[in-house]
Amino acid sequence: DQQVKQNSPSLSVQEGRISILNCDYTNSMFDYFLWYKKYPAEGPTFLISISSIKDKNEDGRFTVFLNKSAKHLSLHIVPSQPGDSAVYFCAAANRDDKIIFGKGTRLHILP
Amino acid sequence: DGGITQSPKYLFRKEGQNVTLSCEQNLNHDAMYWYRQDPGQGLRLIYYSQIVNDFQKGDIAEGYSVSREKKESFPLTVTSAQKNPTAFYLCASRFRGQGADGYTFGSGTRLTVV
Repeated sequence: DQQVKQNSPSLSVQEGRISILNCDYTNSMFDYFLWYKKYPAEGPTFLISISSIKDKNEDGRFTVFLNKSAKHLSLHIVPSQPGDSAVYFCAAANRDDKIIFGKGTRLHILP
Repeated sequence: DGGITQSPKYLFRKEGQNVTLSCEQNLNHDAMYWYRQDPGQGLRLIYYSQIVNDFQKGDIAEGYSVSREKKESFPLTVTSAQKNPTAFYLCASRFRGQGADGYTFGSGTRLTVV
């Protein structure tokens, strides 16, 4: 039973445009959500997070939105750059801080 | 420079053999974790350890074993009981009690069974 779902395996976006990556979750007890970025043959690196008590968190070109009633979060990257091409994992954490990952979305930034 | 070191980067194993993946951290982190990544599967938790000499099973512990004799080290043994061991293995660590954004990941070991 997948608790964190990323339904789009891949996404292609023109350079300079906005990239929107989506994530849904099923467990209303999650109190922290994170996005990780991963390049091939490397470990994931933390990108941005949001507490369940907030609905938006912004860090430079990256903004995460949380809609608790819909159990949905999204990552917006604007403007998209070539170096943003990677796999993005949505993750959620509960009170014991174990992270549960989604399956990832591969983002391709097109020139 | 503090960080997590996983070795080797690539590992080949014959069927029926046990193999041990190394994970060392010099971040003074209390908790350490092992994840497995398969194509289209995301990261799944194998084992984790909150303190020395203690560890718990994650979601897919069958066929794996771990030890935590030192704070800095959390080796993972893939045993012959693991039916499908070919995967990318990631080790992570963080300070116990730190938020979920405190995880640091290693660069991974790709294990291939031949």
